[in-house]
Amino acid sequence: AAGVIQSPRHLIKEKRETATLKCYPIPRHDTVYWYQQGPGQDPQFLISFYEKMQSDKGSIPDRFSAQQFSDYHSELNMSSLELGDSALYFCASSLLGGGYGYTFGSGTRLTVV
Amino acid sequence: SQQGEEDPQALSIQEGENATMNCSYKTSINNLQWYRQNSGRGLVHLILIRSNEREKHSGRLRVTLDTSKKSSSLLITASRAADTASYFCATAEVSGNEKLTFGTGTRLTIIP
Repeated sequence: AAGVIQSPRHLIKEKRETATLKCYPIPRHDTVYWYQQGPGQDPQFLISFYEKMQSDKGSIPDRFSAQQFSDYHSELNMSSLELGDSALYFCASSLLGGGYGYTFGSGTRLTVV
Repeated sequence: SQQGEEDPQALSIQEGENATMNCSYKTSINNLQWYRQNSGRGLVHLILIRSNEREKHSGRLRVTLDTSKKSSSLLITASRAADTASYFCATAEVSGNEKLTFGTGTRLTIIP
């Protein structure tokens, strides 16, 4: 069965550069979530989209933005990268109200040097 | 602030023993979910328990939920070396769009 696909798997960027992370949710899932997980930390909610509209926003820096496109894939754009942005970034998708939990992607490991 | 606090933070047991992890949360919830994460890998959904349920089973997993105490437990029976991972509880709040708030996680090590 298709899972949530994230790309790239690994990304190395320098400070002040820009990064774009992509997420392809499970077909027919209507909600996409982005999470950030720092080393040894629990995942922190960044932002979510329901049917291509932003539905909730968490502790996402102003330097970050995200959108969901007509084909339901989502992109997280990160500008003016800082060393502290180094983390695992997870995308998850679900069917709102489905009661089956999220399906997470394998994550993108971003390293800012 | 963290919604969920997990207890213990780390647990080491012998293979074949049972492992119990606990989670406490603060707000009213729609459901509570448990996830597993191998080091540096993605999160895998294990089980979901709704706020009107008290206990749920899935294979070697048993989850309980006590909404009056705002706590949940995950029991893994007959543990195996492959169960070594971090386990997170996550809550979907009543007022939210089912966004999950994760607890701090329990690092489980199964000793062969």
